[in-house]
Amino acid sequence: DAKTTQPPSMDCAEGRAANLPCNHSTISGNEYVYWYRQIHSQGPQYIIHGLKNNETNEMASLIITEDRKSSTLILPHATLRDTAVYYCIVSPRSNDYKLSFGAGTTVTVRA
Amino acid sequence: DAGVIQSPRHEVTEMGQEVTLRCKPISGHNSLFWYRQTMMRGLELLIYFNNNVPIDDSGMPEDRFSAKMPNASFSTLKIQPSEPRDSAVYFCASSFRGSGELFFGEGSRLTVL
Repeated sequence: DAKTTQPPSMDCAEGRAANLPCNHSTISGNEYVYWYRQIHSQGPQYIIHGLKNNETNEMASLIITEDRKSSTLILPHATLRDTAVYYCIVSPRSNDYKLSFGAGTTVTVRA
Repeated sequence: DAGVIQSPRHEVTEMGQEVTLRCKPISGHNSLFWYRQTMMRGLELLIYFNNNVPIDDSGMPEDRFSAKMPNASFSTLKIQPSEPRDSAVYFCASSFRGSGELFFGEGSRLTVL
């Protein structure tokens, strides 16, 4: 029972912003939205997480809709090194060990 | 900070042999996770430790798999006897409990012939 829906793949141009969508229409009030990515042959890497407010860090921005049923991860200036599988995960913070990694979105940044 | 350290990075073994994978978590972290990744099943949580105590091992596939965490700086995942279907990349991760920010190692790629 997938809690999130992501497009299987997307391309973006180097230097442009990459906007990665995620639907989580059944999200509960205590569930956070987490984003991870996995570059080929490496372990997953934490990117960002949020509850209902938009969040920004040195890697990305997370925009969560007011009804919290969807979110967008924004990579402001995509580089070739951002080519990876991006996972959107929802989970209660108290239960963060149960992060369930689905199929994710394969993002290819093209020169 | 060296990050989560796993060994070996690659292991090729024959069916029936014992395999031991090792993990050194980030110092100070109190949660440790073992995941398995295959093309067919993606990333699966095998077991979760908090303060060196196994909290949830429901993802461990069968009795051939066992995991230990004798102290805060070391954990092992053992497969005995190994089978070809155990071939996968095994990841160890650590975190501060409740942070949601898991730090993964580079993985141990296991091939069972």
